[in-house]
Amino acid sequence: DGGITQSPKYLFRKEGQNVTLSCEQNLNHDAMYWYRQDPGQGLRLIYYSQIVNDFQKGDIAEGYSVSREKKESFPLTVTSAQKNPTAFYLCASSPWTEGYYGYTFGSGTRLTVV
Amino acid sequence: DAKTTQPPSMDCAEGRAANLPCNHSTISGNEYVYWYRQIHSQGPQYIIHGLKNNETNEMASLIITEDRKSSTLILPHATLRDTAVYYCIVRPSRGSNYKLTFGKGTLLTVNP
Repeated sequence: DGGITQSPKYLFRKEGQNVTLSCEQNLNHDAMYWYRQDPGQGLRLIYYSQIVNDFQKGDIAEGYSVSREKKESFPLTVTSAQKNPTAFYLCASSPWTEGYYGYTFGSGTRLTVV
Repeated sequence: DAKTTQPPSMDCAEGRAANLPCNHSTISGNEYVYWYRQIHSQGPQYIIHGLKNNETNEMASLIITEDRKSSTLILPHATLRDTAVYYCIVRPSRGSNYKLTFGKGTLLTVNP
């Protein structure tokens, strides 16, 4: 079945360490996105990518980095510069079809800094 | 993108219709209304979207007022599995802005 796979589901990190969250899709979608969700809050956009080798900052990009070397993959690195990295991270993808921007989301990665 | 206003929470009895309102008074002519829902600790799920006509699919119905300043998502026979946060989002159908902006949504609790 087509979909988005995020791994791992749970991740623990020590303060000061970088960590990379994986996001892979087999939907042949052009665009991919990373969101962060804190308890009781909505989703905030970190980075998004419309095509391979191109990406843009979202609303809260500081302390994060991404790459888009393949259409299927959009990994997110949470760096030590991110002051409050503990959160639920969601990856999504969408086709570039005019008039319809439905997103497909992964099941998320819950990151805890210890 | 136009902003939306939703009640923070609603309750519904199992088997009854759930009607979730959304105000988007600043919506412009080329903006669609989208609805997503998020079950606890999962990724959001697309439900339905529309421009100005009412829409129906296997999950829900979307009623958009004639002036397009508000809409209602209807779950015709709510079940316990429909308990989730429901997000109403408006955004243009064209342009380079791919982004969907999610607010806090409405927590719908379906009670037995």
